[in-house]
Amino acid sequence: GDSVTQMEGPVTLSEEAFLTINCTYTATGYPSLFWYVQYPGEGLQLLLKATKADDKGSNKGFEATYRKETTSFHLEKGSVQVSDSAVYFCALGGRGGKLIFGQGTELSVKP
Amino acid sequence: GAVVSQHPSWVICKSGTSVKIECRSLDFQATTMFWYRQFPKQSLMLMATSNEGSKATYEQGVEKDKFLINHASLTLSTLTVTSAHPEDSSFYICSARDGVADTQYFGPGTRLTVL
Repeated sequence: GDSVTQMEGPVTLSEEAFLTINCTYTATGYPSLFWYVQYPGEGLQLLLKATKADDKGSNKGFEATYRKETTSFHLEKGSVQVSDSAVYFCALGGRGGKLIFGQGTELSVKP
Repeated sequence: GAVVSQHPSWVICKSGTSVKIECRSLDFQATTMFWYRQFPKQSLMLMATSNEGSKATYEQGVEKDKFLINHASLTLSTLTVTSAHPEDSSFYICSARDGVADTQYFGPGTRLTVL
């Protein structure tokens, strides 16, 4: 069945460091791909999405490119801030609008 | 972005009682809502898909008689945890699908603690 695998956390970075959170997926067809962010004590928020191969989703300095050949959707940001500390979830869109989530990656950014 | 609310945000109940959690889409109509369960420091586990005007579709291993779902209108879905037990303690999250935007919007979650 469809599945999503994320790099394990927690990831700890210093402010202004470069961030990469790896995400790979297994799916039949070409699903939409998403990154969601969950800040402490809050619900999930859509960060960015891509609906087809080679699409690049971007928002708030984060970006991810839908790579069909490597079945990946890695999240990147050039310079992280303390306020980016959160849990990041990669997800793919399944049938009927379902979302299949990866296990989440906790990011902690230190000043 | 679109807003989805959940009520209550937290609830503590005694073992054997039932608890109802509401999920509302505030500025769009959602023919489909989803209910997830999240354990501490773990991912979201889809419990069921709630379709307006029809029966919910439950994921494998989720007891439909224990987790009753009703999708009474295009903006409201409810999850009732019946005869709750301590092992049902968890963070329950709903999402509502905006078909026009083809995006799911998540509620802030409900923390259930069963004593």
